[in-house]
Amino acid sequence: GAVVSQHPSWVICKSGTSVKIECRSLDFQATTMFWYRQFPKQSLMLMATSNEGSKATYEQGVEKDKFLINHASLTLSTLTVTSAHPEDSSFYICSANPLRSHTDTQYFGPGTRLTVL
Amino acid sequence: AQRVTQPEKLLSVFKGAPVELKCNYSYSGSPELFWYVQYSRQRLQLLLRHISRESIKGFTADLNKGETSFHLKKPFAQEEDSAMYYCALSGGGKLIFGQGTELSVKP
Repeated sequence: GAVVSQHPSWVICKSGTSVKIECRSLDFQATTMFWYRQFPKQSLMLMATSNEGSKATYEQGVEKDKFLINHASLTLSTLTVTSAHPEDSSFYICSANPLRSHTDTQYFGPGTRLTVL
Repeated sequence: AQRVTQPEKLLSVFKGAPVELKCNYSYSGSPELFWYVQYSRQRLQLLLRHISRESIKGFTADLNKGETSFHLKKPFAQEEDSAMYYCALSGGGKLIFGQGTELSVKP
């Protein structure tokens, strides 16, 4: 149980285009999902907390107009990287905390590798 | 400030040797602490959490509030334990990760 999927698993795009990444909780519902960025051999950096039915909460230094987050249902959150540039190339990971969970345990997706040319 | 520190970037041991991956934290309140593991080309997986006091794959971790530590231990390392290990603290509904320790178990 507690499986999180991401789509696509990898994407290559041209500079200036927008890319949408989906995060789905497959066998549970989640009012809260999280988006992270991970650089090679480094830890996860929290970008934003996605709240179902309300606006996402962004971490300091993360541009909300560049990284658009939508959490339209209890099983789906999307991250759109707008006007992508090469410096946005990274590994993006989402996670979800099950609804009515008694702990803050998060379950992670497999990640999406974004390469901006 | 809430912070998780993993002082070792890389830990290399031989198969069968004991392993201890260090984790120290800074948090004002009662923390919820986790160890996550990331095997090569796989997603981050929950290894254990302190509230469960469980042992997974032979790993254990004890929360020491006096020393603000949550070190991960295993008495006899196996080659399949080679992976990145992340200590994390739950604060304000968010997970705060340490920098990670790469464990390499040599045959």
